[in-house]
Amino acid sequence: ILNVEQSPQSLHVQEGDSTNFTCSFPSSNFYALHWYRWETAKSPEALFVMTLNGDEKKKGRISATLNTKEGYSYLYIKGSQPEDSATYLCAAANQAGTALIFGKGTTLSVSS
Amino acid sequence: DAGITQSPRHKVTETGTPVTLRCHQTENHRYMYWYRQDPGHGLRLIHYSYGVKDTDKGEVSDGYSVSRSKTEDFLLTLESATSSQTSVYFCAISEEGGSPLHFGNGTRLTVT
Repeated sequence: ILNVEQSPQSLHVQEGDSTNFTCSFPSSNFYALHWYRWETAKSPEALFVMTLNGDEKKKGRISATLNTKEGYSYLYIKGSQPEDSATYLCAAANQAGTALIFGKGTTLSVSS
Repeated sequence: DAGITQSPRHKVTETGTPVTLRCHQTENHRYMYWYRQDPGHGLRLIHYSYGVKDTDKGEVSDGYSVSRSKTEDFLLTLESATSSQTSVYFCAISEEGGSPLHFGNGTRLTVT
């Protein structure tokens, strides 16, 4: 079973601040890395699926990068807004791509 | 939501009783997953399925069994419920291995 770790566990920023989180995963036998956003009282929603080393993906003010050789991914949020408050999960797929193992998440709180 | 229905949404049961949770999808996706969500643990994979009658264990499979007799339904059974199985259970589906997961709304199970 893969070991996926996220840091920090929680983060509190002011509106307008930019922030980033880290996800680390085993670099051997890499298949795919996912990012999800999970708002309170809702279900997780996919942000990005990344497969190639050096991949960068962007969705509005949120972007992510991937380094498969060293086993980490960064999620960036530019100009945080209160509606960005959520838990951000990363998940790594096993070698076959069949099982997705999640990290414990980073909980972001944005104050206005 | 991507055509995923979990039932029941809430259940209270007694220790030692069997419990079955149902996940039903209308997307004809090949992969289906059961996760549990607990404070401090994020989402942990219980079992997953990569096709009809094809299932495999996840991170925390002890005390759980699954069945998938048709594409649209994935059942999770707690053979003899214990208080440690009190949790929120999420079903998820994906089209292919490595595709983003789409989650159901969750089932809150309380074992007294």
